[in-house]
Amino acid sequence: DIQMTQSPSSLSASVGDRVTITCRASQGISNSLAWYQQKPGKAPKLLLYAASRLESGVPSRFSGSGSGTDYTLTISSLQPEDFATYYCQQYYSTPPTFGPGTKVDIK
Amino acid sequence: EVQLVESGGGLVQPGGSLRLSCAASGFTFSSYWMSWVRQAPGKGLEWVANIKQDGSEKYYVDSVKGRFTISRDNAKNSLYLQMNSLRAEDTAVYYCARATPYSDENWFDPWGQGTLVTVSS
Repeated sequence: DIQMTQSPSSLSASVGDRVTITCRASQGISNSLAWYQQKPGKAPKLLLYAASRLESGVPSRFSGSGSGTDYTLTISSLQPEDFATYYCQQYYSTPPTFGPGTKVDIK
Repeated sequence: EVQLVESGGGLVQPGGSLRLSCAASGFTFSSYWMSWVRQAPGKGLEWVANIKQDGSEKYYVDSVKGRFTISRDNAKNSLYLQMNSLRAEDTAVYYCARATPYSDENWFDPWGQGTLVTVSS
């Protein structure tokens, strides 16, 4: 199985900050990576797929990049509604696996 | 509106069984791979199983193989998860999630609201 790691595990930021979250796969996944946002008590919401493709309806302040084993999610200007936990997920091979999550909270 | 609504969760003793259901609406259910994903309390996400459009292919995470069975009824727009020989470590919120029509595009959108399964004596 492909193992996914994320860094940092948590971060504190202010509204307007630029935030970057890193996701690393244990082997190359050829951009087969999705990012999700989850708020407490709610289901995850898809933000991006294919590493950099923005899901319809997701604000353009969210962006993704990367290749091979290393990927990043960037929020260009953090908004109050963005405080949540973010997960990456590889779908290069079965089983699909998730990173452990990065919690973004208010500084 | 695309919607997934899970049901069937609850408290069950170790070794017991439970059947989860997911009712889909707002899209052509028979055109999509479907998955179950779970989240233990305070923990991260773990994919559990998925099923092809016609039910001809099914895949499971190793920890549930031989105990859980995924199935679907396209006539009823419904997805199921039969869970047998339940263990304490199966305690989690179970989400139903739509994937895509393609096996190599296995991301999930949308997700249901989840149903809580608690395995405890």
